[in-house]
Amino acid sequence: AQSVTQPDIHITVSEGASLELRCNYSYGATPYLFWYVQSPGQGLQLLLKYFSGDTLVQGIKGFEAEFKRSQSSFNLRKPSVHWSDAAEYFCAVGAWAGNNRKLIWGLGTSLAVNP
Amino acid sequence: GAGVSQSPSNKVTEKGKDVELRCDPISGHTALYWYRQSLGQGLEFLIYFQGNSAPDKSGLPSDRFSAERTGGSVSTLTIQRTQQEDSAVYLCASSLAIAGATLNTGELFFGEGSRLTVL
Repeated sequence: AQSVTQPDIHITVSEGASLELRCNYSYGATPYLFWYVQSPGQGLQLLLKYFSGDTLVQGIKGFEAEFKRSQSSFNLRKPSVHWSDAAEYFCAVGAWAGNNRKLIWGLGTSLAVNP
Repeated sequence: GAGVSQSPSNKVTEKGKDVELRCDPISGHTALYWYRQSLGQGLEFLIYFQGNSAPDKSGLPSDRFSAERTGGSVSTLTIQRTQQEDSAVYLCASSLAIAGATLNTGELFFGEGSRLTVL
């Protein structure tokens, strides 16, 4: 069955420090992978996605993620965190059939940023 | 509209009452999704609409839950005889689905959600 695991429920980093949020997936075919961010009081916003091609993908707000098929991982990274990055981050895999773009979600990682 | 709009943003109801949650997707988006976000449960898929039909209802938790979409636009999620375990944030998303386009990115655009509290 398709599933997404985000091993870290909560992470705290200092502003300016580097960040890596982990995501592991289980999917039978080539996965379509996504990272979304949910800031307090706001809807989910797409940070980046992987469909095919270059396994290192760049997203908005200075985020990047690397798809590693051998490890079934799609970890999100940022070299220098800003206080405004404090939010909930969700990894998802696309369980697509036809035009149905259903997503299977991880439970999320809550990021806190210390000044 | 400019984005996905959901109403009400907050709803408090008593156990046993019926509630209706509304979603107004981005204009022109043919695909619409309902998800439920519960504390500790993450996001659960509920139902997918393509136009006015719902090819995938597999996530609806019980027959107390139903949804409809009219005019290929606005959708309403109805929960009958609400229970305390229905308390959650209900999220709506829409996307531009292109028939036959297997590489359609189909990015989902989410509303801010409707927070339902059942007392």
